[in-house]
Amino acid sequence: EPEVTQTPSHQVTQMGQEVILRCVPISNHLYFYWYRQILGQKVEFLVSFYNNEISEKSEIFDDQFSVERPDGSNFTLKIRSTKLEDSAMYFCASSDRTINYGYTFGSGTRLTVV
Amino acid sequence: AQSVAQPEDQVNVAEGNPLTVKCTYSVSGNPYLFWYVQYPNRGLQFLLKYITGDNLVKGSYGFEAEFNKSQTSFHLKKPSALVSDSALYFCAVRDSNAGNMLTFGGGTRLMVKP
Repeated sequence: EPEVTQTPSHQVTQMGQEVILRCVPISNHLYFYWYRQILGQKVEFLVSFYNNEISEKSEIFDDQFSVERPDGSNFTLKIRSTKLEDSAMYFCASSDRTINYGYTFGSGTRLTVV
Repeated sequence: AQSVAQPEDQVNVAEGNPLTVKCTYSVSGNPYLFWYVQYPNRGLQFLLKYITGDNLVKGSYGFEAEFNKSQTSFHLKKPSALVSDSALYFCAVRDSNAGNMLTFGGGTRLMVKP
């Protein structure tokens, strides 16, 4: 069964550093998403991406965040200057053109900002 | 705006007994509803979805859910719980009148005791 792949599985970074989280969505999917889950809390939407541009974003997705699909297979989330409160599990997801196949999530990247 | 409520933080059930994890939603259009399960330190695994059609939806691992439009609910059920079902369960909704993003409930921890 096709999978969404995320790397790394765990990243530790110093406050103020830039991090890039990487995702390889399912190859024939057209919509891509980032969600985050602060430890023990709900899963929150960050951003959706379609046709090489952001289609929706939440209030969490401020100027510190950016997304990119640099080469037609990878989908990245960049945090420019990390804060302690950015520590969370970040999930990438992708979906098909139709809703019928739902959303497939990756296994997540645990980001720890120290 | 779309929203999801999972009124129980935790559900305890004895192995072999039926289980129910509750979910209610609010949308302006038609709801597309999903259940995901998360095991410790793991990603979000898809269980089942309701898009259209039969109100009773059957999914993975013997789980099922019933869409009730009048009560705006989508409760997750299983006739006979297993200890291995112990995990965190998330209900999610997408509004047909909104974009593609999923909104998650706060999650319900299911504890199945031998």
